Amino acid sequence: AQSVTQPDIHITVSEGASLELRCNYSYGATPYLFWYVQSPGQGLQLLLKYFSGDTLVQGIKGFEAEFKRSQSSFNLRKPSVHWSDAAEYFCAVNSNSGYALNFGKGTSLLVTP
Amino acid sequence: GAVVSQHPSWVICKSGTSVKIECRSLDFQATTMFWYRQFPKQSLMLMATSNEGSKATYEQGVEKDKFLINHASLTLSTLTVTSAHPEDSSFYICSARGMGQQETQYFGPGTRLLVL
Repeated sequence: AQSVTQPDIHITVSEGASLELRCNYSYGATPYLFWYVQSPGQGLQLLLKYFSGDTLVQGIKGFEAEFKRSQSSFNLRKPSVHWSDAAEYFCAVNSNSGYALNFGKGTSLLVTP
Repeated sequence: GAVVSQHPSWVICKSGTSVKIECRSLDFQATTMFWYRQFPKQSLMLMATSNEGSKATYEQGVEKDKFLINHASLTLSTLTVTSAHPEDSSFYICSARGMGQQETQYFGPGTRLLVL
């Protein structure tokens, strides 16, 4: 069965430090992969997506992610974190039905001064 | 572009009443809309998928008679929680996918429901 795993429930980084959030997927075909961010009490905002082509994708707010088929991973990175990046981050993959998204459990990011 | 709105943003109701939540795509036509439910500190769980003009497809374990979904137009889907009970209290989020948007879904801001 297809699934998405975000191994880290919580991550704390200092402002200005680099960030990497991990995402692993289990999917029978070439997946469509997404990273969303959710601020408290808010909906989800799309950060970036991967469908095909260049495995390093650039997103909004200075985020990027790299698709590694051999590792079944799609890790999210940012070279320098800002306090406003504190939020919940969700990795998602399209399900076998083709359109509905299957979400990971999320990683909560805390940014310290 | 690709903005999705939800109304209301929060609602408090008495047990036994019905609550309707609207989801609108403001600047695109949504051929497919999705309804998710999110409990505190948890991920989003898909409740149902609806295509314009068709009956919604519900995920296993979701009561279709309790969570009525109508997708009457290409810009509007509604979720009605019928005879709401305290255990229905949750954060409900809709998303929409339009023509030519491949697999990308755009999410609404969510509706927080509290049933007393």
